[in-house]
Amino acid sequence: ELKVEQNPLFLSMQEGKNYTIYCNYSTTSDRLYWYRQDPGKSLESLFVLLSNGAVKQEGRLMASLDTKARLSTLHITAAVHDLSATYFCAVEGGSGNTGKLIFGQGTTLQVKP
Amino acid sequence: GAGVSQSPSNKVTEKGKDVELRCDPISGHTALYWYRQSLGQGLEFLIYFQGNSAPDKSGLPSDRFSAERTGGSVSTLTIQRTQQEDSAVYLCASSLAPGMNTEAFFGQGTRLTVV
Repeated sequence: ELKVEQNPLFLSMQEGKNYTIYCNYSTTSDRLYWYRQDPGKSLESLFVLLSNGAVKQEGRLMASLDTKARLSTLHITAAVHDLSATYFCAVEGGSGNTGKLIFGQGTTLQVKP
Repeated sequence: GAGVSQSPSNKVTEKGKDVELRCDPISGHTALYWYRQSLGQGLEFLIYFQGNSAPDKSGLPSDRFSAERTGGSVSTLTIQRTQQEDSAVYLCASSLAPGMNTEAFFGQGTRLTVV
């Protein structure tokens, strides 16, 4: 059974600092996704990572995927308050190429001014 | 439509009643998913539709839960004889098709409260 674990689960940081969120998963998968969720809102797609070594960047966020280590990272550079949200990684799981997603627990990021 | 649309956005129901939640996916998306988000369980997969058929129903928690999709478009998730533990946010997502290397897009969710 595929399991996805994120750490940390809660992160409080000052504006301007850098930090990394880690996403580990338990079985082989080549497709990993990062989503953002603001309080009371739905999930917004951030990154789609489809192969080993994939790296994508958008603004202050950069995501990478190491399929051999079964690890993805979401790196935050020079955090700003607007990045405060909960971040989920999700891995495609199950047999038959259904696109079904198994989610991590989520990392709640709080950026203090 | 421009995005995945769900209705109602909020639903309060009495324990034991049946509820229907609706999802209108992005036009042209053949894959449709239901997920449930609750404090204790996080985000859980419920069911996957490809067209009108549901090849993966493995996440439905009990036989009180059922879903259908018609015309390859709108889907309805029905919960019969609701229980308090059914209280959660029910999220619908759609994608072009599995294996197309595109992400799933989520609706705003239906917050279900069973009292």
